[in-house]
Amino acid sequence: GNSVTQMEGPVTLSEEAFLTINCTYTATGYPSLFWYVQYPGEGLQLLLKATKADDKGSNKGFEATYRKETTSFHLEKGSVQVSDSAVYFCALSVGGFQKLVFGTGTRLLVSP
Amino acid sequence: SAVISQKPSRDICQRGTSLTIQCQVDSQVTMMFWYRQQPGQSLTLIATANQGSEATYESGFVIDKFPISRPNLTFSTLTVSNMSPEDSSIYLCSITPGLTNTEAFFGQGTRLTVV
Repeated sequence: GNSVTQMEGPVTLSEEAFLTINCTYTATGYPSLFWYVQYPGEGLQLLLKATKADDKGSNKGFEATYRKETTSFHLEKGSVQVSDSAVYFCALSVGGFQKLVFGTGTRLLVSP
Repeated sequence: SAVISQKPSRDICQRGTSLTIQCQVDSQVTMMFWYRQQPGQSLTLIATANQGSEATYESGFVIDKFPISRPNLTFSTLTVSNMSPEDSSIYLCSITPGLTNTEAFFGQGTRLTVV
């Protein structure tokens, strides 16, 4: 079946630190991969996506590269800000973008 | 983009009762989705709701427990029936504006606590 595993949180960093949130997946077929973010008090929103192997998704300074050989889609940011504090979800879909399979979410806390 | 209004935003309910959650979208969409996020767990798809047809439920979810209505292309409801404390979760409505659209949009969720 399809599943997503991401590192447990919370991840606590100081402002301007480097961020990595690990995500690995298991999928039948060729999945599309996503990172969603949920800021406090807000709904889930798409952060970035990649639809095929070696694609790099990027947005707001965040990046993730679709690594088929390691079945991974790790989220990185070179310098986090307090405003990046949120819960980050890795997700995949197979055969279309409608049905999503999510990881458990990783809470990021950035302190000044 | 799309704006999704979901209500109620939270509720505390007695076991054995039912709660209906509403999802209103600001544009017409073919497919709407209902997810559940249990405490400390990932989001799990409950069902897909298409206008004019019965909802399609994922494994582990049944219509008697989670009846869904989809009366038009901008609105859907999910009912959590005969609730127990195990139903305490966040319930989220989601849409993808087109059949091949690359982004799903989510409502802010309904935080349900069953006591």
